[in-house]
Amino acid sequence: KQEVTQIPAALSVPEGENLVLNCSFTDSAIYNLQWFRQDPGKGLTSLLLIQSSQREQTSGRLNASLDKSSGRSTLYIAASQPGDSATYLCAVRWLDSNYQLIWGAGTKLIIKP
Amino acid sequence: DGGITQSPKYLFRKEGQNVTLSCEQNLNHDAMYWYRQDPGQGLRLIYYSQIVNDFQKGDIAEGYSVSREKKESFPLTVTSAQKNPTAFYLCASSVNRDNQPQHFGDGTRLSIL
Repeated sequence: KQEVTQIPAALSVPEGENLVLNCSFTDSAIYNLQWFRQDPGKGLTSLLLIQSSQREQTSGRLNASLDKSSGRSTLYIAASQPGDSATYLCAVRWLDSNYQLIWGAGTKLIIKP
Repeated sequence: DGGITQSPKYLFRKEGQNVTLSCEQNLNHDAMYWYRQDPGQGLRLIYYSQIVNDFQKGDIAEGYSVSREKKESFPLTVTSAQKNPTAFYLCASSVNRDNQPQHFGDGTRLSIL
């Protein structure tokens, strides 16, 4: 069964620290992997999308990496700010998934001022 | 600005009642999706539509119904057959079926009275 896991479910760090969020997935035959941000009571905002052939993608202070062989992706946030506080979700599209996404449950991130 | 509008933001359902959640987009996207989000779980796909007058069941379609009479609109009805409807419902869209959901509405929170 194709599954996506995000551990830990919650993370609290002081402002200014660099941090890493984890996403693991079963079955390395993925098409792509995407990271989203969700603010409380709101919809999702797409942050980064990594295609199967790529190793990483960067946007500002965010860097997402992909290691298909180990079934892992990480989202690195540099110099964290209180405005980064949100839930971060990982979603995987597999080659045989008929265009659908399988979602992790998310990591709730709190940046303490 | 282009985007997805979901209404209402909060909705309450009485026993035996059907309720309809609205989703409208002005992005000129062909594909639209409905997801259900429960605490501690990843998003789960209820229904999706790749084009007007066509829609497909997702992983948890039982107790729900949809229509796609216009490109801009994809309403979701939660029927009385859905015995556990309390959740956060998210509508999303993509350019077409070859692209995964990129744009999300701000969601509707449905509760039982």
